[in-house]
Order: sequence, then structure tokens, then C-alpha cells
Amino acid sequence: DGGITQSPKYLFRKEGQNVTLSCEQNLNHDAMYWYRQDPGQGLRLIYYSQIVNDFQKGDIAEGYSVSREKKESFPLTVTSAQKNPTAFYLCASSRDSSSGANVLTFGAGSRLTVL
Amino acid sequence: EDKVVQSPLSLVVHEGDTVTLNCSYEVTNFRSLLWYKQEKKAPTFLFMLTSSGIEKKSGRLSSILDKKELFSILNITATQTGDSAVYLCAVTTGANNLFFGTGTRLTVIP
Repeated sequence: DGGITQSPKYLFRKEGQNVTLSCEQNLNHDAMYWYRQDPGQGLRLIYYSQIVNDFQKGDIAEGYSVSREKKESFPLTVTSAQKNPTAFYLCASSRDSSSGANVLTFGAGSRLTVL
Repeated sequence: EDKVVQSPLSLVVHEGDTVTLNCSYEVTNFRSLLWYKQEKKAPTFLFMLTSSGIEKKSGRLSSILDKKELFSILNITATQTGDSAVYLCAVTTGANNLFFGTGTRLTVIP
């Protein structure tokens, strides 16, 4: 079945450590996205990529980094520079981001807790 | 500033009730409005609306868009406990901007 796989589902890290969240899709979608979800707030865009080897910052990119070396994969690294990293992270993909009417398919999310 | 506002923030109803969830928006270059249901983790797509006045239906769920008044509603009739979830509204603008509301948490009590 086609879909998006995020791993790990739960992750704990100590302050000062970098951590990488995995996102893989087999939907043959061109565009991929990372969102952060906090209680009482809507999903906020961290980074997105419309094509391999290209990505753009979203609204809250500071303290995060991404790569898009393969169409299927869009890993997110939460660096030690991110001041409030504890959150629920959602990866998503869409067939074509340029249409302006793209429906996102979401992964099951990764919950990161910084101790 | 582009924004999407959902109301109410939370709602508790009994099984069988009908609920209406609201989503208003102020954005530049509106393209579409989407509704998602998030039960525990992954939001799942419900509807995409691009034209005013055309109702989209799926079983007990329906939604409509008013581009003049800049809002959309999501109706759920004969609610069931399985409808308990957070319902997210999102608006797309331009080439690649997608703005989410904070969501409405619906709880359906047996």
C-alpha cells in the first residue's frame, strides 16, 4: 500500500543533541513537507521541497535542517539550536505543489521529547 | 497577515447530535480550502473546496464554502463516537502556501 512512513514514532533526546527524523514515501509524490504541531496551535510549516535536491524554508525553519537527495526521502534534523524542540512532527507529501490546490497525505508523526 | 481561524476550539456532544464546525480565513490569493480529520496521529483528508456554494458530501459529513464571506462549515449529522477527533481546516494560496487553523476538538459521548 502506498503511504508515508515516519520513524521513530517516539524519540527522547537530551538537550544539546541533534536528532534526525525519517520520512519516506512511496506515493511517487514530487513535493514533501515537514510540519510541527503544538497543543493549541495549528500545524506550522518547517521546510518543504518541491523537487529533489531543492528545498525551501517554511515559517519556523530556525534550528532545523533538511535534505532531499531522493524523491522518496525527506529527513528532518532537529539541531541543538532549536530552542523548544519538544513537539509532534508531521511529514506530508503531495503530488504537485505548484497547482495551489494540493491535497497533502500525512505520515503518522514523530513525537520528540527533549529531557 | 494570512490567517485561518477555527471555532469552536472544542466541542462535546452526545451521539446522534448534529454539529457544525466553522472555519474563517483571511488570505491573499485564495486557491482552495481543505478539511482534515486527525484522530490520533496522521490527519486524513476529508474535503477540498474551491467554489462557493457547492456542497461536498461524504456519508454523514458535508462541507460548503462561501468565498464572499470567507468561511467554510463542516457539518456532521447523527454523530458517532468514531467522529471524535480534531478537525483541521487549511487554506492554500498562491503556488505553495498552506495555512492551517488551530483545529476543533470534537468529543462525542455515547
